[in-house]
Amino acid sequence: ETGVTQSPTHLIKTRGQQVTLRCSSQSGHNTVSWYQQALGQGPQFIFQYYREEENGRGNFPPRFSGLQFPNYSSELNVNALELDDSALYLCASSLGGRAFNSPLHFGNGTRLTVT
Amino acid sequence: QQQVKQSPQSLIVQKGGISIINCAYENTAFDYFPWYQQFPGKGPALLIAIRPDVSEKKEGRFTISFNKSAKQFSLHIMDSQPGDSATYFCAASILGGSQGNLIFGKGTKLSVKP
Repeated sequence: ETGVTQSPTHLIKTRGQQVTLRCSSQSGHNTVSWYQQALGQGPQFIFQYYREEENGRGNFPPRFSGLQFPNYSSELNVNALELDDSALYLCASSLGGRAFNSPLHFGNGTRLTVT
Repeated sequence: QQQVKQSPQSLIVQKGGISIINCAYENTAFDYFPWYQQFPGKGPALLIAIRPDVSEKKEGRFTISFNKSAKQFSLHIMDSQPGDSATYFCAASILGGSQGNLIFGKGTKLSVKP
């Protein structure tokens, strides 16, 4: 069983630039959720993708966008980067629907630094 | 608005002792309460989870106690070991909605001294 993999592991960008982060879900999982974890804080929900469509969104501006592909992998795109976007970005996969026994499986994240 | 409040922020326990972390929530619609463990450089990993129809759930050395009327739940780690040293997060969500939308607490950094 392959776990959740994220790339790249670290990234440094300049304010105003755009960034794309990638995530491969755990085999058998069809749902991907993205979280932002600032230093010393708990993860904050950005959005979730299920069957290639956005299925819930947290309190993040539209410059945070995503995609899910037919193989259930996903991308997180952030435009017009701001200094406050510096954080660990976590991807989590799960089985869709209302199955209680389908917890989130997190990857190890991408550490984004905006200078 | 912080919907899940976690305490303490940090905790130091001697090996063999009991570690207790507490969380309180505000939204009575929450019906799924997991605890995650995170080691430095790693993503959070699910430890144990509970639904509000039970007051306690135990898995090995880890126990969740749940008090629905007080809107509180806690994690107890029995016989704490140095390998348990990590940051622990409580979380809550509404299963009827998007299960991916977990609301996390701010975390508790646990250090278990040998």
